[in-house]
Amino acid sequence: DIQMTQSPSSLSASVGDRVTITCQASQDINNYLNWYQQKPGKAPKLLIYDASNLETGVPSRFSGSGSGTDFTFTISSLQPEDIATYYCQQSHNLPYTFGQGTKLEIK
Amino acid sequence: QVQLQESGPGLVKPSETLSLTCTVSGGAITPHYWSWIRQPPGRGLEWIGFIYFTGSSSYNPSLRSRVTISVDTSKNQFSLRLTSVTAADTAVYYCARGGGAARHWGQGTLVTVSS
Repeated sequence: DIQMTQSPSSLSASVGDRVTITCQASQDINNYLNWYQQKPGKAPKLLIYDASNLETGVPSRFSGSGSGTDFTFTISSLQPEDIATYYCQQSHNLPYTFGQGTKLEIK
Repeated sequence: QVQLQESGPGLVKPSETLSLTCTVSGGAITPHYWSWIRQPPGRGLEWIGFIYFTGSSSYNPSLRSRVTISVDTSKNQFSLRLTSVTAADTAVYYCARGGGAARHWGQGTLVTVSS
């Protein structure tokens, strides 16, 4: 299985800050990398697919980049409603696997 | 707008079979992939498997010997069956549309394995 390593596991930032989360795959996954946002008690929501494509309806402050094994997820200006846990997922090889999550809190 | 709703028992005894159904509304089962994903309490996400509307499926090897996903296009539903459950199978189970990137999710249903 492809291992997905996210960092950091938790993050505290202020409103308006630029926030960056990284995700590293244990082998080359091309650009088959997705990012999800999960708020407490809710289902995950797809934000970014294929590493850098913004899902329809998702605010433009969210972005993704990377290819191969190293990927980055960025929130350009943190908003209070962005408090959530974020997961990366590779969809290159079966079984599809998720990172362990990054819990984002407001400072 | 497509909506998904999981249904099934919230409590299953150890060694028995967990069965869940996902009903799709606002869109057709065809021609999409449909997935099951689970999340143990307080932990991360685990992909269980997916099925194509034709019935072709793929499963996580860690569960393959115990899991079956099926689809009923006439009812716009797909289902999960997990046999010989243990406490380790206690989780919120989500159904979703998509084989890789999952765009639409059900609200999730908590299944507890306990006697």
